[in-house]
Amino acid sequence: GESVGLHLPTLSVQEGDNSIINCAYSNSASDYFIWYKQESGKGPQFIIDIRSNMDKRQGQRVTVLLNKTVKHLSLQIAATQPGDSAVYFCAERGSGGYNKLIFGAGTRLAVHP
Amino acid sequence: GAVVSQHPSWVICKSGTSVKIECRSLDFQATTMFWYRQFPKQSLMLMATSNEGSKATYEQGVEKDKFLINHASLTLSTLTVTSAHPEDSSFYICSATRSYNEQFFGPGTRLTVL
Repeated sequence: GESVGLHLPTLSVQEGDNSIINCAYSNSASDYFIWYKQESGKGPQFIIDIRSNMDKRQGQRVTVLLNKTVKHLSLQIAATQPGDSAVYFCAERGSGGYNKLIFGAGTRLAVHP
Repeated sequence: GAVVSQHPSWVICKSGTSVKIECRSLDFQATTMFWYRQFPKQSLMLMATSNEGSKATYEQGVEKDKFLINHASLTLSTLTVTSAHPEDSSFYICSATRSYNEQFFGPGTRLTVL
């Protein structure tokens, strides 16, 4: 199930299930979106990206969906494994150059055996 | 390839002292580096954009005189937290861009101010 913690919502899933993590972005002019995975005490790790001229992109066990109409991004993880437990952030690149990224609030994924 | 390192990985200092954090791109040149701050259970907040050879651009609300950024070479940017106070305790993360669509993050530096 999904719950809202003090600052970070948590998604709890059983090992082997599919996970869907959602993100609402803020800038309709953003042209590039990235999903990152962050484990405790570490920096963000790139998972998958998508440009604004696409609505779906698939990687290994992961799929990103982009709905520009409602400014919504989702990350689907197939056959979730305990090693997928982490905090997941979406990030958008807005206008203004320099590849500046704005991060979403993040979702903690907890995978239970 | 595309490794970004930070030093130190953690630091504890007394209130009122200054702390310098280094961010290095080990196997590529980065014309632009970014500094983020992350409080517990929160997201990454962009502090500043650092371009080699020029002054850093700070985000709204970030004190440029408190968070000094130097980007003297294409592989090194430093963040100095001056006169640190307990509220500056946080996880500081840098990133470096190899190209427009490639941004690589460092492992972060945990700063604790007593």
